[in-house]
Amino acid sequence: KAGVTQTPRYLIKTRGQQVTLSCSPISGHRSVSWYQQTPGQGLQFLFEYFSETQRNKGNFPGRFSGRQFSNSRSEMNVSTLELGDSALYLCATRRDNHEQYFGPGTRLTVT
Amino acid sequence: DQQVKQNSPSLSVQEGRISILNCDYTNSMFDYFLWYKKYPAEGPTFLISISSIKDKNEDGRFTVFLNKSAKHLSLHIVPSQPGDSAVYFCAASDGGGGSNYKLTFGKGTLLTVNP
Repeated sequence: KAGVTQTPRYLIKTRGQQVTLSCSPISGHRSVSWYQQTPGQGLQFLFEYFSETQRNKGNFPGRFSGRQFSNSRSEMNVSTLELGDSALYLCATRRDNHEQYFGPGTRLTVT
Repeated sequence: DQQVKQNSPSLSVQEGRISILNCDYTNSMFDYFLWYKKYPAEGPTFLISISSIKDKNEDGRFTVFLNKSAKHLSLHIVPSQPGDSAVYFCAASDGGGGSNYKLTFGKGTLLTVNP
């Protein structure tokens, strides 16, 4: 059974640009959550999508957005990038319980 | 306001001995707890979980204990192996029977198991 896949794995952008990250869930998993990991703040919840609807949202500015497609694949977008957005972005998927399974992450560097 | 706290940033143990990783929480609405293990440049890997209706859950070398009155949980690894060296994250959820499965994570404990 294939795991959670995230693309791209590494990305370098400059301030002011925008970026789109992609996550493909484990087959049968309809929920996709996104997290940001930084050395100072640890793992922080961004948002969760289920059946193409955002169900939960963390405390991040509106520059961070996401969407989910009918095949459960999800994308997150960050607009007007800031240096502080440099982080590992992780997506996690689950079927219908609490146990979330994480992808390898996308390492975003903003210069 | 850190709702899930892992007060030990690091822990070092000898191979074959017990590793005990601790986690405290403040939100009494949390009713499900999970432990994840993370290697550098990889996503967290789910290890073991426990519902608030239990006080212990065991899976092979891994046992999680929950003390609801103290709002404390711990992960025991016995015996510890060098391959267990990683960052361990404690996470909590207040979804219960509802749909809120947002996980709140602690900042992690780096476990080093020395041969």
